[in-house]
Amino acid sequence: GAGVSQSPRYKVAKRGQDVALRCDPISGHVSLFWYQQALGQGPEFLTYFQNEAQLDKSGLPSDRFFAERPEGSVSTLKIQRTQQEDSAVYLCASSSGTGDYNEQFFGPGTRLTVL
Amino acid sequence: AQSVTQLGSHVSVSEGALVLLRCNYSSSVPPYLFWYVQYPNQGLQLLLKYTSAATLVKGINDFEAEFKKSETSFHLTKPSAHMSDAAEYFCAVVKAAGNKLTFGGGTRVLVKP
Repeated sequence: GAGVSQSPRYKVAKRGQDVALRCDPISGHVSLFWYQQALGQGPEFLTYFQNEAQLDKSGLPSDRFFAERPEGSVSTLKIQRTQQEDSAVYLCASSSGTGDYNEQFFGPGTRLTVL
Repeated sequence: AQSVTQLGSHVSVSEGALVLLRCNYSSSVPPYLFWYVQYPNQGLQLLLKYTSAATLVKGINDFEAEFKKSETSFHLTKPSAHMSDAAEYFCAVVKAAGNKLTFGGGTRVLVKP
């Protein structure tokens, strides 16, 4: 079956531009996560949704970052006024349950480059 | 706070040799531990997970890991490396009653013919 998909796969933005990154989770998955992976580092948690509710946004680095999942399926991560330090791969993951050991299935990521 | 430390950012092994990737965690409570693999331009794929059942966990592609509470370690091994094992490997932890993954810095594995 289809896995987690993300679009676009690559995005180049000029500093100061707004960007929107899309995540399509596996159908029926309740939990959705966003992670940021800087070059040469492990992914870092950004935010978590359970259905349409954003239950944890403790990892969002600034108020320029905003995520939504209005109908409990597709999610969008928006970054306003992009800065060079926002350059990273943004990974989306979904999980069928809400427990702490449910496997998270990852998408291929969106590589954002801010010039 | 909990964290994960992976010793060695790069490991080079010969095809057919043992693969050993080290992971140590710090946690005040027993954690759930995971190993993920990331191939170039792909998302992370789960290799195996420890959820407080058996301490020796077997995963896909002949990988296994052993949870050692006394050493706060969860090292990943594979008896015989294949060329297809060349990838980056991440150890991760989830705190009990939480669900977000905290990752180590990753270890890139190079397999020499």
